[in-house]
Amino acid sequence: GAVVSQHPSWVICKSGTSVKIECRSLDFQATTMFWYRQFPKQSLMLMATSNEGSKATYEQGVEKDKFLINHASLTLSTLTVTSAHPEDSSFYICRAASGSLNEQFFGPGTRLTVL
Amino acid sequence: GESVGLHLPTLSVQEGDNSIINCAYSNSASDYFIWYKQESGKGPQFIIDIRSNMDKRQGQRVTVLLNKTVKHLSLQIAATQPGDSAVYFCAESGYSSASKIIFGSGTRLSIRP
Repeated sequence: GAVVSQHPSWVICKSGTSVKIECRSLDFQATTMFWYRQFPKQSLMLMATSNEGSKATYEQGVEKDKFLINHASLTLSTLTVTSAHPEDSSFYICRAASGSLNEQFFGPGTRLTVL
Repeated sequence: GESVGLHLPTLSVQEGDNSIINCAYSNSASDYFIWYKQESGKGPQFIIDIRSNMDKRQGQRVTVLLNKTVKHLSLQIAATQPGDSAVYFCAESGYSSASKIIFGSGTRLSIRP
């Protein structure tokens, strides 16, 4: 079946540095990708929606200059957390979707820890 | 504002018994609902979905019930097994893969041996 991968699966970085997280759809073309953030013992919160070749649409309260999203191809979207701080430590999960309801899958998540 | 929420944050069930996880939603215009299972450190895993024009849908060991009158959704797991231990989320979406999926707060299901 369809698979969505994320890389890295976990990352530890120092405060003030930037971290890039990749989301790939491995066997279908994802016209739309979604990025979520999940803090411990909480639900998934949608951060932004991106369509291939277009600027991402951010949810209210999510800083677009801090969380840079690029969706340059139909199989790859990246989320860059710029100038990361400890409060950005979270589990980041992507979802990739094509035009079919049968082709929408979540990635395995990336655990970000900012020291 | 519109939200999807849960009645019970935790649920402990005897192995072999049936589990029922409940969810309330507030957006009467919602037309598509999904249940996800999330194990520790992993992404959400699709379990079952239902459209608003249905009131029941069955899968393998799982059944989703939708009551639009009271805006209530439930997930029933038959013969609960240790592998069912996880956090379960109900979610709301439009009937399009490009629609946002909005998650409820989650219920942790634990299985007693």
